[in-house]
Order: sequence, then structure tokens, then C-alpha cells
Amino acid sequence: AQSVTQLDSHVSVSEGTPVLLRCNYSSSYSPSLFWYVQHPNKGLQLLLKYTSAATLVKGINGFEAEFKKSETSFHLTKPSAHMSDAAEYFCVVSDKEGAQKLVFGQGTRLTINP
Amino acid sequence: ETGVTQSPTHLIKTRGQQVTLRCSSQSGHNTVSWYQQALGQGPQFIFQYYREEENGRGNFPPRFSGLQFPNYSSELNVNALELDDSALYLCASSLGLADYYEQYFGPGTRLTVT
Repeated sequence: AQSVTQLDSHVSVSEGTPVLLRCNYSSSYSPSLFWYVQHPNKGLQLLLKYTSAATLVKGINGFEAEFKKSETSFHLTKPSAHMSDAAEYFCVVSDKEGAQKLVFGQGTRLTINP
Repeated sequence: ETGVTQSPTHLIKTRGQQVTLRCSSQSGHNTVSWYQQALGQGPQFIFQYYREEENGRGNFPPRFSGLQFPNYSSELNVNALELDDSALYLCASSLGLADYYEQYFGPGTRLTVT
């Protein structure tokens, strides 16, 4: 079965500094990987996805992630944090065995300090 | 906004009761998936419907059941509610089953079981 592990439950950064949210995955085949963001009282929004094309994936709002097969990692980064980035972030792998099933990590809460 | 709507927004039920949650998918989407998100956790896959047929199920007991209608809207039914069923229930719709189809999430229904 596919799984993801988000290495930090909570990350706190100052506005204007870089953001790094870490994710490792486990998959028996070439995975499809995603990052979703969840703002309070709002639905999940797709930030970016990797589906075996370019290993550096650019998403919305200045976020990007790099797929590293040798490290089984898919870390999310942003050069400069903005107050509006404060939210819960989920690393997700798609389980291709059967349904289009998304397997979510436990989430990382990102706090932005003024 | 994704165009996926869910009703009701909030619901309070008593242990042992039954509940029906509703999801209206985005226009043109024939696939609906349901997820349960317990407090402080990532969403967990319940099941998926594709063109009115169940197309995969997660590790949830049979008292969790669903339907998809000809207009591709969907229902999630939970019988014999337990306290642990208290969670945010999310539905997501997509154009089809392939990984490259983005799943668009609704805002969720918050179910509290007392």
C-alpha cells in the first residue's frame, strides 16, 4: 500500500522567509504525488501535482516541490512566506490499485509570524 | 470556490441514529469520492462512485454506504452512528478516474455524534 509521512506536524516561519514542508513517500511503483492546502472552514485546494513528468513541479501561489526518487521525498518549498500562507498542508499519494484513491499524510500546520 | 457543494454544513446526531450527507459535484464530473477527516488528522478514503457504480472502498464498515444519481450528485449514509463517527466529511468530484484528473473538494459537512 502507498503511504506518505509528513515529518513535521507544525512549522512556524517569519513573513518573508523561506518555507520548507517535508514529506517522504512509500510506493511500490512510480507514484503520483500531490500537495493540498486546507484553510480554516474551507475545502481542500490542490497546490501542485507530480505525475512522472518533470521532477521539479511548480504550483500555485509561488509553491514548488521536487520529486527525489533516491530519497523517496517530495518536499514543498516557497522562497518567501506570506501571511495568507498560514494553513494546514497535506502531502498526498495516489493509490493506483483500484479506485482513484488519495492517501493523505497527517498534515503540517504552517504558522506565519509577522 | 470549486463548484462542489455539500449539505448540510453542520449536523448533530445521537449515537445509534442514521444520517445522510449530500454532495453536488462540479458540472461535467462523473466521479465522486468521499473522505472522512477526524480532528487533527488527514482525510481518509471512504469510497468512490463512477457513473453510478461503486468503484472502490476504503477500510470502513458496511454501515457506511452511498449512492450516486444519474446527475452524478451523491449521498453518503451512515447507520448506527458511533461517537467515533464525529468528523468532517468531504466529497470530491473529478472528470474521471485517471490520476491526471484533479479532484475538486467541497467545503465538507461537520458531523457531531453525541
